Amino acid sequence: DAKTTQPTSMDCAEGRAANLPCNHSTISGNEYVYWYRQIHSQGPQYIIHGLKNNETNEMASLIITEDRKSSTLILPHATLRDTAVYYCIVRPINNAGNMLTFGGGTRLMVKP
Amino acid sequence: EAGVTQFPSHSVIEKGQTVTLRCDPISGHDNLYWYRRVMGKEIKFLLHFVKESKQDESGMPNNRFLAERTGGTYSTLKVQPAELEDSGVYFCASSQASGLGLRGGTQYFGPGTRLLVL
Repeated sequence: DAKTTQPTSMDCAEGRAANLPCNHSTISGNEYVYWYRQIHSQGPQYIIHGLKNNETNEMASLIITEDRKSSTLILPHATLRDTAVYYCIVRPINNAGNMLTFGGGTRLMVKP
Repeated sequence: EAGVTQFPSHSVIEKGQTVTLRCDPISGHDNLYWYRRVMGKEIKFLLHFVKESKQDESGMPNNRFLAERTGGTYSTLKVQPAELEDSGVYFCASSQASGLGLRGGTQYFGPGTRLLVL
């Protein structure tokens, strides 16, 4: 699986947009970009995924660069409950059963 | 729709004892996964079931770990005998059988079982 690189930690003011970057420069054409987060003492929570088009759902937006070598997860109006570790993961399309490979993620701290 | 559930939420055992963790996937999900995070480390894959069959058990650390999914519904993960280094959080996840591109391949996680081996 392709590797991802994320900043270790980030801060964001409550109510502002949180923009979490991820570098996946070795991603191949058959790999999706997935984002999960883990709030303290809970299991990983699915946020969003995409292939090459930008995606939006009720939780977040995912912006993928045209060359697909990087992406940004956007939480439009961060709240204190969004404080968590955010994981960017690439995963092949052609096998629905592939494992998720978690890295260190980005620890997002939303501050009042 | 009920999510993935795990039991127990916490377990404290002594070294050498046996512990069995249980996971109930989302109803209708054929794929079931076990992961764990040991202290200070990243979340690591253990194994993957498709229905009752082990599809990939490449992440299982050693033969003290035994996973089963009889009948293709819930799964158990037994650690026997437990060692100190087995302490950590064990997560279960499930996904539908259909391919990626839909939400079918997305894995949904349970809350985890926190295991402490003394």
